[in-house]
Formats: sequence, structure tokens, C-alpha cells
Amino acid sequence: AQSVTQLGSHVSVSEGALVLLRCNYSSSVPPYLFWYVQYPNQGLQLLLKYTSAATLVKGINGFEAEFKKSETSFHLTKPSAHMSDAAEYFCAVSDLIQGAQKLVFGQGTRLTINP
Amino acid sequence: DTEVTQTPKHLVMGMTNKKSLKCEQHMGHRAMYWYKQKAKKPPELMFVYSYEKLSINESVPSRFSPECPNSSLLNLHLHALQPEDSALYLCASSRGGVVGHSTDTQYFGPGTRLTVL
Repeated sequence: AQSVTQLGSHVSVSEGALVLLRCNYSSSVPPYLFWYVQYPNQGLQLLLKYTSAATLVKGINGFEAEFKKSETSFHLTKPSAHMSDAAEYFCAVSDLIQGAQKLVFGQGTRLTINP
Repeated sequence: DTEVTQTPKHLVMGMTNKKSLKCEQHMGHRAMYWYKQKAKKPPELMFVYSYEKLSINESVPSRFSPECPNSSLLNLHLHALQPEDSALYLCASSRGGVVGHSTDTQYFGPGTRLTVL
């Protein structure tokens, strides 16, 4: 079964600093990978996804992620953190089960931005 | 419009009550999902409907009963719940298809926060 592991349940950065959230995957086939963000008391919103078209994927709000097969990684980055980036971030891998899509999420990383 | 709506926003119920959660989308999506999310945990898949038919049931207890009356609506009927069922219940939808797509984006609603007393 495919799975993802997020390293670091809590990341804290200063406003304006680089954001790096780590995600490693385990899959016997080329994976389809997603990053979702969840703001307090809200649902999940897609930041970006890897569908094998390009290894560097740009998403919303200035986020991007690079798929590295050799490292089985799909880390999320943003050059300069804003206060509004404070949220929970989930990496997920997609699978097809009985013809339906199943997303398997990592444990999540809470991002805190210090002023 | 990429909105998935869920009602109610909050629900408090006793263990003997019967209640329903409602989810609606008007994006023409043919796949709809129910997730359960406990505090500080990732969402866990409960059910998937594809073309109004139940495709996946992740061994969810029978006190949770899903229903998909049409392609835009998804309900979750609740009966005889336990306090440990208290959680945020999220609905999502995606394009879907006769053959599902692993690259589809799932669009999530804001959730219903359920408290079982």
C-alpha cells in the first residue's frame, strides 16, 4: 500500500523566512502526490499536486514542491513566509481502489509563523 | 464555482438521537466522499460514492449510514453514536468517472463539527 510520512509535526519560522515542509512517500509505482492546507475550523484546500507532468510543481499562495524520485520526497517550500501561512499542512498520496480514488494523508505538519 | 457546502456547521446529539449530515456540490462531479477527522489528526476516509453508487466503505460501523440521492447530494445518517464518534466530518467531491482518476483534485467542504454526549 502507498503511504506518505511527514517529518516534523510542528514547524516554526519567522515571517519572511524560508518555509520547508517535508514529505516522503512509499510506493511501488509512480505516485501521484498532493499537498493540502487546512486553516483553523475549515476544510482542506489544494495547494498543488504532482501528476508526473513536471517534477517542479508550482501551487497557490507562492508555494512549490519538487518531486525527487531518488530521495522518494515531495517537500513543500515557500521562499518567504507570511503570517497568513499559519495552518496545518497535509501531504497525501492517491490510489485507485475498486475504481475510486483514495487519498492517504500524512500525519500533518502545523506551521507557525513568528512575527 | 468550486464550492462544497455542508450543513449543519455544528451538531450536538445524544447517544440515542438520529440525525443527518448533508453535503452538496454543483460542479458536476461524479465522485463524493465522507471523511472523519479527529483533533490534530489527518482526515480518514469513510465512504466513497461514484455515480451515486457506493464504491468504498472503509469498514465503518453501521451506526453511520451514507446515502447519495442524486449526483449533487450526499447525506450521512447518524444513529446511536458513541462519544468517541465526536469529530469533524468532512465531505469532498471530485471529477470521478467510469474509471476513476488518481490525479483528480478533491474539493472539500468546511465540515460539520459533531459532538456526541
